[in-house]
Amino acid sequence: DQQVKQNSPSLSVQEGRISILNCDYTNSMFDYFLWYKKYPAEGPTFLISISSIKDKNEDGRFTVFLNKSAKHLSLHIVPSQPGDSAVYFCAASPYSSASKIIFGSGTRLSIRP
Amino acid sequence: DSGVTQTPKHLITATGQRVTLRCSPRSGDLSVYWYQQSLDQGLQFLIQYYNGEERAKGNILERFSAQQFPDLHSELNLSSLELGDSALYFCASSVGDHPSYEQYFGPGTRLTVT
Repeated sequence: DQQVKQNSPSLSVQEGRISILNCDYTNSMFDYFLWYKKYPAEGPTFLISISSIKDKNEDGRFTVFLNKSAKHLSLHIVPSQPGDSAVYFCAASPYSSASKIIFGSGTRLSIRP
Repeated sequence: DSGVTQTPKHLITATGQRVTLRCSPRSGDLSVYWYQQSLDQGLQFLIQYYNGEERAKGNILERFSAQQFPDLHSELNLSSLELGDSALYFCASSVGDHPSYEQYFGPGTRLTVT
């Protein structure tokens, strides 16, 4: 039972355009969401997070949107740069409980020139 | 460099064997998390320790165990290894024990069971 789903295994976007990565979750107890970025041969690095009391959080070129009714979140990267080519994982957890974070399977983003 | 170190980087062993993976957290971090990433899968949370005590358990098999020592480094022990245990094992650390505290990941240990 996948509680956090990233249905697109890969995404190719032209440099300078917007990249939109999507994530769906099923557990209504989740109220804290995170995005991680992973380069080959490295561990994941934290990118941005959002709690359920907000529907948008922005950090530079990265914006995360949360639609609680649809149990859907998305990560927007504008403008996309070559260094953004990586695997992106979304993750979710209940904010109030111990750190049982559930990760999605990841989306490989490729930025083409 | 996240400041989290993991040893060894690679490990090749046979089925039925036992291995120990080691993690040193960032200086000042009290929480250590262990994750498993199998081929084309997301990260599966295994277990978390905070200041030497087990804080949360995920989908960790009974053949697997972990501990966090007084100097805060942690070890993940995998025994009676099976082919399906082949995976990347990540350790992460954070200051606190709550999801809102950013987790810093190590580079991982790639375990291959033959």
